Amino acid sequence: GNSVTQMEGPVTLSEEAFLTINCTYTATGYPSLFWYVQYPGEGLQLLLKATKADDKGSNKGFEATYRKETTSFHLEKGSVQVSDSAVYFCALRASNSGYALNFGKGTSLLVTP
Amino acid sequence: GAGVSQSPSNKVTEKGKDVELRCDPISGHTALYWYRQRLGQGLEFLIYFQGNSAPDKSGLPSDRFSAERTGESVSTLTIQRTQQEDSAVYLCASSTGTEVYGYTFGSGTRLTVV
Repeated sequence: GNSVTQMEGPVTLSEEAFLTINCTYTATGYPSLFWYVQYPGEGLQLLLKATKADDKGSNKGFEATYRKETTSFHLEKGSVQVSDSAVYFCALRASNSGYALNFGKGTSLLVTP
Repeated sequence: GAGVSQSPSNKVTEKGKDVELRCDPISGHTALYWYRQRLGQGLEFLIYFQGNSAPDKSGLPSDRFSAERTGESVSTLTIQRTQQEDSAVYLCASSTGTEVYGYTFGSGTRLTVV
């Protein structure tokens, strides 16, 4: 079946550190891949997306590249800020699953000053 | 509306009671989804509507769970005879249904069954 595996959290970083949150997936066909972010007390928001191999999604300084050869979609940011503290969810929509998204369990990020 | 609106934001209910959770999607969004997020877990897909019909109910955990959508707008998720394991945040999302787009989520309803 379709599934997403994210690195376990929580992740604690100092401000301006480099961030990587790993995400790998299993899916049939050619899924679309997403990163969602949930800030404290808020709903899930789409952070970035990629719909085909080698696409790079980017937003707010975050980037993720759709790597079909390694079935990965790792999230990166060169210099994190305290305001980036949130829970990050990797998700996919497989071609055989209609419009339902498969989510990872989420990775909590805490950035300290 | 400007976003996806869910009500109530919090609900505490006694075990065995029925509850109704409401979702108002973004105007014009034809697709609507319900997910469940248990503490420390990822999001669990429950049901998907395209218009007023539900082509995919595969995620509903039991026959105590049901959902409907009317007027291609508001949706209600009903849980009958609630159990403690139903405690979770129930999230609604809507989308245009177009393949390349993700969803817009509401802030969720936190359900606590005591």
